[in-house]
Amino acid sequence: AQTVTQSQPEMSVQEAETVTLSCTYDTSESDYYLFWYKQPPSRQMILVIRQEAYKQQNATENRFSVNFQKAAKSFSLKISDSQLGDAAMYFCAYRNRDDKIIFGKGTRLHILP
Amino acid sequence: DTAVSQTPKYLVTQMGNDKSIKCEQNLGHDTMYWYKQDSKKFLKIMFSYNNKELIINETVPNRFSPKSPDKAHLNLHINSLELGDSAVYFCASSPLAGVYEQYFGPGTRLTVT
Repeated sequence: AQTVTQSQPEMSVQEAETVTLSCTYDTSESDYYLFWYKQPPSRQMILVIRQEAYKQQNATENRFSVNFQKAAKSFSLKISDSQLGDAAMYFCAYRNRDDKIIFGKGTRLHILP
Repeated sequence: DTAVSQTPKYLVTQMGNDKSIKCEQNLGHDTMYWYKQDSKKFLKIMFSYNNKELIINETVPNRFSPKSPDKAHLNLHINSLELGDSAVYFCASSPLAGVYEQYFGPGTRLTVT
């Protein structure tokens, strides 16, 4: 069965610094999607970034980028130039073609001014 | 324009009551979902509907019954509410099952007293 593990329940970073959130997953499939979602205190779930497993190139969205290591089943999120508005819970998620969707338990990110 | 909307946003009720949460998406998506987020922020899928047909039911108690009158709406009805049903319930939609990301509603915080 597929699993998604976020080993860091909480992290803190100074404003303007860079932080990396880790995510590992377990699957025997080769075709799937990986996502990072952000949940601020407003509780709205917001997509941060998406990675298709068949793409070797790491996805980037402005200050957000991923390090996707398919063989190692690792999908970390790097946030550059951290801003106060980045403070939130971050969820890593896996989705396969059969629409099996699994979320990690989340990492709470604090931004220190 | 709200893409995925849920009503109500807050619901407080007593044990044993029956309640419904409504969800509507105006994105033209084919697939809709219900998630439960517990007090520890763990997000777990409950149901998935593709073009009004149920395609996932993740061992949810049969007190929970999803109803999809059309592909833009997916309502959640809960019978005989229990204390353990207290959680935030999220509706989400996706263009196609198994691909791309999901778009989430704002969530409904259900409190059972």
